[in-house]
Amino acid sequence: QITLKESGPTLVKPTQTLTLTCTFSGFSLTTSGEGVGWIRQPPGEALEWLALIYWDDDKRYSPSLKSRLTITKDTSKNQVVLTMTNMDPVDTATYFCAHRRCSGNSCRGNWFDPWGQGTLVTVSS
Amino acid sequence: DIVMTQSPDSLAVSLGERATINCKSSQSVLYSSNNKNYLAWYQQKPGQPPKLLIYWASTRESGVPDRFSGSGSGTDFTLTISSLQAEDVAVYYCQHYYTSPYTFGQGTKLEIK
Repeated sequence: QITLKESGPTLVKPTQTLTLTCTFSGFSLTTSGEGVGWIRQPPGEALEWLALIYWDDDKRYSPSLKSRLTITKDTSKNQVVLTMTNMDPVDTATYFCAHRRCSGNSCRGNWFDPWGQGTLVTVSS
Repeated sequence: DIVMTQSPDSLAVSLGERATINCKSSQSVLYSSNNKNYLAWYQQKPGQPPKLLIYWASTRESGVPDRFSGSGSGTDFTLTISSLQAEDVAVYYCQHYYTSPYTFGQGTKLEIK
């Protein structure tokens, strides 16, 4: 059974850097095809994909946020860390991490299942 | 970036009736080499994370009731709930995974009439 859980600060000040950790179990990011993504959701709004890291350390970022985002993995701890610099009140959202899934011998596809419960981050002075 | 547009934004359907949600991508998400549509559907209930319903546009995830079905190809896709149950009240999202960034639609809120 795959599970993921997000952790990090619930409140950050504008201009600060946010660091979120996704701790997972049930798979390893040393296994070919595996990946973990980050998605956020402002209160009452839609989902926004942020970043994805693969088992081979390949990384993908949302172009609109790429300059502010860094995604890394620690395979020994089964963790993925997302940092977002220069936080602003508009970045207030629930941040989810999710397991990347694919299918076939070539492991094609990048849908997400399951998801963590999410962590609400508020940006306010 | 591929933009995903869902319609309608909200929908009220009577119990036992059919619910249909549409999703349109700004460019085709059909990958010619494997003839697969790179599209997924999720269900999100209040206070919960999204739950995967369908991938490859029409493959139902294990454990998802068969009243949920996905169809479409290229740029136009549909999620259909054949007989609405009370537990289906939720917001539904489509997401493409054709190429990064893997964008979501704006969501469709489904309620009981």
